[in-house]
Amino acid sequence: NAGVTQTPKFRVLKTGQSMTLLCAQDMNHEYMYWYRQDPGMGLRLIHYSVGEGTTAKGEVPDGYNVSRLKKQNFLLGLESAAPSQTSVYFCASSPLQDRAGTEAFFGQGTRLTVV
Amino acid sequence: GNSVTQMEGPVTLSEEAFLTINCTYTATGYPSLFWYVQYPGEGLQLLLKATKADDKGSNKGFEATYRKETTSFHLEKGSVQVSDSAVYFCALFPGYSTLTFGKGTMLLVSP
Repeated sequence: NAGVTQTPKFRVLKTGQSMTLLCAQDMNHEYMYWYRQDPGMGLRLIHYSVGEGTTAKGEVPDGYNVSRLKKQNFLLGLESAAPSQTSVYFCASSPLQDRAGTEAFFGQGTRLTVV
Repeated sequence: GNSVTQMEGPVTLSEEAFLTINCTYTATGYPSLFWYVQYPGEGLQLLLKATKADDKGSNKGFEATYRKETTSFHLEKGSVQVSDSAVYFCALFPGYSTLTFGKGTMLLVSP
């Protein structure tokens, strides 16, 4: 069982280029998330989705756009990449949240370098 | 707002030493609390969780107790191994919205 799969795993972009990161989950989860991980900053939420066709801003949404056209996929777009967007990006998914705190499942990450 | 504070690392230990990684939180209501672990080159995976006060989460020899009176969820292990070297994240879920993570604590265990 694949779980959460991120594509690509590595990418180098030039400043100003655009790209889309793809996240796919096969667990029929309602919630999906995009985080970025930077040294000393931990994980910061970029955008998230609580269901197909919905998206919401997280802590650091500027410079990114997202779409959730299908329940199993959550796309993260960079329209005009900047060196400040050099980071490791993680996608995660979880079932419908309840008070018991459902576990989030993470992908393996995408290492993006913007030069 | 909600927040999680972890001790800064790296924490450097010899094999078989006792481990404590401190975690405190700020949240309204009664959040669920988690420890996630990230091994080198991998994504995060759930290590243990606790959903109410005085609950103890445990897994792979690691333990953490939900202490509402001190708003803490410290991670402990009696005897660490080299294979425990990783980054550990404390997180909370307030019952709405999304998970809030601490900044992570790197653990380095030497033979």
